[in-house]
Amino acid sequence: DTEVTQTPKHLVMGMTNKKSLKCEQHMGHRAMYWYKQKAKKPPELMFVYSYEKLSINESVPSRFSPECPNSSLLNLHLHALQPEDSALYLCASSQVGATNEKLFFGSGTQLSVL
Amino acid sequence: KNEVEQSPQNLTAQEGEFITINCSYSVGISALHWLQQHPGGGIVSLFMLSSGKKKHGRLIATINIQEKHSSLHITASHPRDSAVYICAVSSYGNQFYFGTGTSLTVIP
Repeated sequence: DTEVTQTPKHLVMGMTNKKSLKCEQHMGHRAMYWYKQKAKKPPELMFVYSYEKLSINESVPSRFSPECPNSSLLNLHLHALQPEDSALYLCASSQVGATNEKLFFGSGTQLSVL
Repeated sequence: KNEVEQSPQNLTAQEGEFITINCSYSVGISALHWLQQHPGGGIVSLFMLSSGKKKHGRLIATINIQEKHSSLHITASHPRDSAVYICAVSSYGNQFYFGTGTSLTVIP
């Protein structure tokens, strides 16, 4: 299994809603990432988890709350988002501490905030 | 200045043409990645390389570590190759830096 599975594929939410994005991989990868991608722009790193611990937080607003309940799962909890948060949210995974390691991406969640 | 620069930003080619996309980087890397993203879709890893050259079907990727430069070549291009191609480098500590992407359109 070389897949990173993200759900849902599409999400529309109001600014007062609370929702969660989910990401799952079964490749034994111990590094998992959340990226945000606006149209026609490269992905921007949001968070990195390494061995289920948050290792990088790229100054992301607190309305985005990541969670890594176990080595296969990564969640992104959303609350009180703004319309400018509308974007494609990509999850990725890779090995930890290994050089020359591939980055595997999920197909993303297209989020629209109304 | 971006750690990873790609050129060209946009590229239109006729079906069958040979295509080259270039990538330069300024940081120390453990590997360089070529990624493909179709409209509205997730990202697929095409190549990961740290030296030399790799080939997969009609795709060829090369890297020159001394010059900090990589190229992605597509031979006999086809409309299904139309996508955004992204160069990314992995640095130490699980850091990945992305180029701005090259949008390729192959016309039948």
